[in-house]
Amino acid sequence: GIQVEQSPPDLILQEGANSTLRCNFSDSVNNLQWFHQNPWGQLINLFYIPSGTKQNGRLSATTVATERYSLLYISSSQTTDSGVYFCAVASDSGYALNFGKGTSLLVTP
Amino acid sequence: DAGVTQSPTHLIKTRGQQVTLRCSPISGHKSVSWYQQVLGQGPQFIFQYYEKEERGRGNFPDRFSARQFPNYSSELNVNALLLGDSALYLCASSYIPGPEQYFGPGTRLTVT
Repeated sequence: GIQVEQSPPDLILQEGANSTLRCNFSDSVNNLQWFHQNPWGQLINLFYIPSGTKQNGRLSATTVATERYSLLYISSSQTTDSGVYFCAVASDSGYALNFGKGTSLLVTP
Repeated sequence: DAGVTQSPTHLIKTRGQQVTLRCSPISGHKSVSWYQQVLGQGPQFIFQYYEKEERGRGNFPDRFSARQFPNYSSELNVNALLLGDSALYLCASSYIPGPEQYFGPGTRLTVT
């Protein structure tokens, strides 16, 4: 299956700081999603972005499919941004999402 | 509109017992997938169903089975529970297999 690597594994920021999370994948994909998992385990959809760039408020994401990576940008971070961010991809030959190990983000006041 | 719903929220079982987890997809979604997430890891794919047929299966033993009903809801069954089956079980739905998937809140299973 497709290998998904996320970096960094852990990140601590002060409120107001900006950050960039990276997702590398090992094969061509037809689906790439970014999720935020809250402390209760709920996976919240951030972006569906198999290619291109999207923005939603303080968050934006870019996927360069030809180079097999995606970036999630968080600007002016808030304490409520804390949690684990997952990148998940699916290949042309299947529909199962392959998840990375996540980036654990802690935003301090 | 309601999102993906799962029941029960929490469950405690004993080794060797059997468990059934339930999932209702977003209205209009016909595909349901199941994932297992153990502590500290990303979710792992178990099954995908579309139009009541199994479309994909992950690397899980035959103790795991699932089905999808005519109303597109789904059940995940796990027999002969092991301690290692303790995890958060997540259900995801999409209109058809492939595009953006939406996850439910999960069922947290503890096997003692």
